[in-house]
Order: sequence, then C-alpha cells, then structure tokens
Amino acid sequence: AQTVTQSQPEMSVQEAETVTLSCTYDTSESDYYLFWYKQPPSRQMILVIRQEAYKQQNATENRFSVNFQKAAKSFSLKISDSQLGDAAMYFCAYISNFGNEKLTFGTGTRLTIIP
Amino acid sequence: GAGVSQSPRYKVTKRGQDVALRCDPISGHVSLYWYRQALGQGPEFLTYFNYEAQQDKSGLPNDRFSAERPEGSISTLTIQRTEQRDSAMYRCASSLDSGLGSSYEQYFGPGTRLTVT
Repeated sequence: AQTVTQSQPEMSVQEAETVTLSCTYDTSESDYYLFWYKQPPSRQMILVIRQEAYKQQNATENRFSVNFQKAAKSFSLKISDSQLGDAAMYFCAYISNFGNEKLTFGTGTRLTIIP
Repeated sequence: GAGVSQSPRYKVTKRGQDVALRCDPISGHVSLYWYRQALGQGPEFLTYFNYEAQQDKSGLPNDRFSAERPEGSISTLTIQRTEQRDSAMYRCASSLDSGLGSSYEQYFGPGTRLTVT
C-alpha cells in the first residue's frame, strides 16, 4: 500500500519570504501523480499543483513550485513571496495511474505567515 | 461554472439515527469520490463511482455505511445507526475523467461536518 509522510506538522515564514514544505511517499509503482492541496481556515480543499511521475520537469504554478525527486520519493512544495493568504494546512497526496483511483493523503503541514 | 456542492454543511444527530449526506458534482464530471476527514488529519478514502457504477468501496468502515449514485450525477452517502465515532468532516470530490490518461485532478466540495451526540 502507498503511504505519504509529511514530517513537519507546523511551519512558519515571514511574509514575502520563501518556504519549503516536505513530503515523502512510499510506492512500488512507477507511474503515478502527486498533488499538493491547500486547506485554509474555511476548510475548503483547494488543488494547488500537480506533478506527473513520468515527467522530469518540476511543475510550477505562479508562486508555487515543486521539487520532485523520483528516486528519493520526495515531493516538496516551495512557496515564493509568501502572502498572508497562503496561511493554511497543506496536504500532499498520491494517486496511482494503474486504476486505483483513490487519493492517499499525508497528515498535513500547518503553515503560518508572519506579517 | 459551479463547483462541487454538498448538503447539509452541518449535521448534528443523535446516536442511533440514520443520516444521508448529499453531493452534487461539477457538471459533466465522470468520477465522484467520498472521503472522511478527522480533525487534524488528511482525508481518507471511502468509496468512488464512475458514472453510476460504484468502482471501489474498500474504504467504507463497516456495513452501516453505503453510497449510491443512481443517475451518474448526484450521490448520497448514508450512515445507518450512527455512532459517536462517525463524527467527522465528510468530503465529496469529482473529476472529469478516470483511468489511464486521466489527469486525476479531483475537485473537492466544502464538506459536511457531522456530529453525533
């Protein structure tokens, strides 16, 4: 079974600075997708970014980028120019590309932005 | 267009009562998923549908939990004889497509917070 580990329960960053959230996963599969979801205080779940395992290029979405290291099974999220609205729980998630379509989530990292 | 909607947003029920939670996915989305999220945890998979067919119900905790999607659109998650341990946020998500070649991007609704007293 796949597992997703987020080892940082809480992180904080100064506004306008850069922060990196860590995620590791365990799988025997070679083809899969990885996601970062944001859960603000409203408790909505918002898709932030997606990475396909067969693509070597790291995904980017505006101020959000990932560092995907397939051999190390590592998938970190970098947030540049942090803004107050980035304060949220961030969840890393894995999904197989072999028909098992459930997302497996990590336990989350709570990000605080310091003004 | 409208996102995934869920109703009710909050439900308080007494132990032993049955509850029905509704999910209305994004129009045209083939796949629909149910997850349960305990406080301070990530969502955990319960079940999912492609169109009206339930593809995987391995995450349903026991036979008190059931789900249906009879016309391939709206889905209902039913919990019979609720227990206090069923208290959680129940989340629905939908995705445009499924299977090999899919983007697998799942869009979540706001959730239903269930409290069993």
